[in-house]
Amino acid sequence: GAGVSQSPRYKVAKRGQDVALRCDPISGHVSLFWYQQALGQGPEFLTYFQNEAQLDKSGLPSDRFFAERPEGSVSTLKIQRTQQEDSAVYLCASSLRQGETDTQYFGPGTRLTVL
Amino acid sequence: TQLLEQSPQFLSIQEGENLTVYCNSSSVFSSLQWYRQEPGEGPVLLVTVVTGGEVKKLKRLTFQFGDARKDSSLHITAAQPGDTGLYLCAGEEQTGANNLFFGTGTRLTVIP
Repeated sequence: GAGVSQSPRYKVAKRGQDVALRCDPISGHVSLFWYQQALGQGPEFLTYFQNEAQLDKSGLPSDRFFAERPEGSVSTLKIQRTQQEDSAVYLCASSLRQGETDTQYFGPGTRLTVL
Repeated sequence: TQLLEQSPQFLSIQEGENLTVYCNSSSVFSSLQWYRQEPGEGPVLLVTVVTGGEVKKLKRLTFQFGDARKDSSLHITAAQPGDTGLYLCAGEEQTGANNLFFGTGTRLTVIP
């Protein structure tokens, strides 16, 4: 079956532009996660959804970052007024359920480069 | 902030050699996972360890969770070029927590 997909795969933005990154989770997966992975580093948690509810956004680095999942399936991560330090790979992951250790399935990521 | 430190950061070995990667923290984790990530792809789960002292084997890979659930190791026997990739450990601080804390990563290259 289809895994987690993300689009676009690559995005180049000029500093100050707004960007929107899309994540299509595995169908039926309740939980959705966004992570940021800087070059040469491990992923860092940004935010978490259970269905349409954003239950944890403690990892969002600033108020320029905003995520939504209005119908409990597709999610969008929006970054306003992009800065060079926002350059990274943004990974989306989904899992079937919440409340116990559960496998997170990751998408291929969107590589954002801010010039 | 990275709670999990991995060592070594880079490792280049010849095919057929053995290697061990370490994942250490001062925090206690309810579970610890190991992932492998290849260029242009997301991490793929290899194993989850839950119990202190637990050992799991996956073909030539052996994973161990420390007794105090603060550290873990990954041992690969007779490495093959297909083992090349970025190995990441990730900890869950409490059961059912919403996010994983990833380690700094170990980039392994196996030379044919």
